[in-house]
Amino acid sequence: GDSVTQMEGPVTLSEEAFLTINCTYTATGYPSLFWYVQYPGEGLQLLLKATKADDKGSNKGFEATYRKETTSFHLEKGSVQVSDSAVYFCALGAYSSASKIIFGSGTRLSIRP
Amino acid sequence: NAGVTQTPKFQVLKTGQSMTLQCAQDMNHEYMSWYRQDPGMGLRLIHYSVGAGITDQGEVPNGYNVSRSTTEDFPLRLLSAAPSQTSVYFCASSQTQGSEKLFFGSGTQLSVL
Repeated sequence: GDSVTQMEGPVTLSEEAFLTINCTYTATGYPSLFWYVQYPGEGLQLLLKATKADDKGSNKGFEATYRKETTSFHLEKGSVQVSDSAVYFCALGAYSSASKIIFGSGTRLSIRP
Repeated sequence: NAGVTQTPKFQVLKTGQSMTLQCAQDMNHEYMSWYRQDPGMGLRLIHYSVGAGITDQGEVPNGYNVSRSTTEDFPLRLLSAAPSQTSVYFCASSQTQGSEKLFFGSGTQLSVL
């Protein structure tokens, strides 16, 4: 079935470091891909999305490119800030099966000042 | 903007007790869903609804009931709580079944002793 695998955390970086959080997926058809972010004590919120191969989603300095050939959707940011500390979830929209969003297990990111 | 409102934020139950987690949205969204979040397992879909009067099961429906009598409300009922239901519960909604963006509530932290 459809699934999402993302790198285990926690990930700890210094401020202004380069960030990559890996995400790969397994799906039938052509799913939409998402990154959601969860700040402490809050619900998840959509960070960025891509709906077809080679699309690049971007928001708040974060980017991810939909790579069909490697079934990947890695999250990147060139210079992280303390305020980026959160849990990041990769997800896919499995519209072939009851329109549910399937989430990865989440990666906790901590940024040191 | 209220968005998706969940109550209560915290709850402690004894094994065998019943309770209802409330979820309401004011965005006139057709699609509503319940997830549980457990460490290392991401979010797993419990039940979902594509409109008033229509509900269906997700990945982990056992031990939970739902109903959707209005567009705005989607309560989750635990009929006989078990320690395995200790988790953080999130309600989410989206405009339509095929919508690409989920809006999440802030969560309910439930402990079953």
